[in-house]
Amino acid sequence: DQQVKQNSPSLSVQEGRISILNCDYTNSMFDYFLWYKKYPAEGPTFLISISSIKDKNEDGRFTVFLNKSAKHLSLHIVPSQPGDSAVYFCAASDSGGSNYKLTFGKGTLLTVNP
Amino acid sequence: NAGVTQTPKFQVLKTGQSMTLQCAQDMNHEYMSWYRQDPGMGLRLIHYSVGAGITDQGEVPNGYNVSRSTTEDFPLRLLSAAPSQTSVYFCASRTGTGVVTQYFGPGTRLLVL
Repeated sequence: DQQVKQNSPSLSVQEGRISILNCDYTNSMFDYFLWYKKYPAEGPTFLISISSIKDKNEDGRFTVFLNKSAKHLSLHIVPSQPGDSAVYFCAASDSGGSNYKLTFGKGTLLTVNP
Repeated sequence: NAGVTQTPKFQVLKTGQSMTLQCAQDMNHEYMSWYRQDPGMGLRLIHYSVGAGITDQGEVPNGYNVSRSTTEDFPLRLLSAAPSQTSVYFCASRTGTGVVTQYFGPGTRLLVL
């Protein structure tokens, strides 16, 4: 049973436009959500996170939105740049559960075309 | 600060061979974990440790062994490698309770023939 779902395996956008990556979750106990970016042959790097007490968190070009009632979050990148081309993983954690383990989605490959 | 380091970067094994994937961190993090990444599967937790001497199983622990004798090191052992263990392995660490964000190493690519 996949608790964190990224239903789009890939996304292609033009440089300068907005990239929107989506993530859905099924476990209502999840209360902390993270986005990681991964380049080929490198480890995932932390990008941005959001607690369930918020519905938006912004960091420069990156904004994460959380809709708890729909169990949905999204990552917006504005404006998109070619260097943003990478695999993006959504992850979730139950901070009241065992040791803040992260559950990951399968990832979305973002390609930003010049 | 080197962060999280992993060795080797790449390894080829024959079925039945054993090996140890090394992971070390210099951030004095209490929590360390091992994930594997397979195509179309995301990252799946193998084993984790909340401190020296304490380990527990994750989502896919079968075929793997871990120990945590020091805060810095968290090796992952494959006792008898199988082709199904062909994967990319990532080690991660974070500080203690109350902090969720984990920091990942560069990965070890393992091919089992």
